Amino acid sequence: QVQLVESGGGVVQPGRSLRLSCVASGFTFSSYAMHWVRQAPGKGLDWVAVISYDVSKKYYADSVKGRFTVSRDNSKNKLYLQMNSLRGEDTAVYYCARDPGERQWEPYYFDHWGQGILVTVSS
Amino acid sequence: DIQMTQSPSTLSASVGDRVTITCRASQSISSWLAWYQQKPGKAPKLLIYKASTLESGVPSRFSGSGSGTEFTLTISSLQPDDFATYYCQQYKSYPYTFGQGTKLEIK
Repeated sequence: QVQLVESGGGVVQPGRSLRLSCVASGFTFSSYAMHWVRQAPGKGLDWVAVISYDVSKKYYADSVKGRFTVSRDNSKNKLYLQMNSLRGEDTAVYYCARDPGERQWEPYYFDHWGQGILVTVSS
Repeated sequence: DIQMTQSPSTLSASVGDRVTITCRASQSISSWLAWYQQKPGKAPKLLIYKASTLESGVPSRFSGSGSGTEFTLTISSLQPDDFATYYCQQYKSYPYTFGQGTKLEIK
C-alpha cells in the first residue's frame, strides 16, 4: 500500500534552515508529482510546493517562494523540502502528499498523505 | 489566486442527521474541486474529487455536487466516525487553495 513518511522536523531559530524529507513506498515514486502542504497549529491547510514526476516543473506558494526549494531523488524514492530563512509563520505540521496523475502534469488533488512532521520556528 | 470560502465554519449535528457543507470559489473552477476529512492529529483523507466522484473506499453516505463557483458536500446520515473537520480544495490552477474548514461537532 502507498506509504509516505516525513522526517527532519524540529525546533529551529528564526533565520535558520531545515530540510524535510519524505520517503515513499508502495508505488512507483518516479511516476507521480509530489506536493508539500502545511498546517499551522489550530489552522487550516496551506499548499506549499509541487514538483513534477520528472523534476521538470516546480511551483511554490508566494509565501515561501525564494526561501523554500522542493526537490526529489527518484532513485531513492525521496522527496525533499529545503527551508531557508525560516520565520515564525512557517511553524506548522508539514505533509507530503501524492498527486494521483501517473506520469502526467494535469490538475489533480492529493490522494495520499504522509502523517506529517512538525516544524517549530522559535528563538 | 482563487479564494475558497466554506460555510458554515462550525456545524452541530446529531447521529443520523443529514448535513450539507458549502464551498464557494472566487472564480469558476469548473469541477476541479476535492473534499477532505481531517481528524485531530491526523492527516487529511480524500473523500471526493472532481466535485462529485467518490474516492474508493469512502462510504456512499458522502456525496458532492456543484460546478463553477458553488459546491456542496452532503453526508446523508451522520455516523459517529464522521465528526471531524472538512476542507474543500480547488485544483484548477496554482497556487492550489483550500477553504478554511468546517468543524462538524456532535450536538
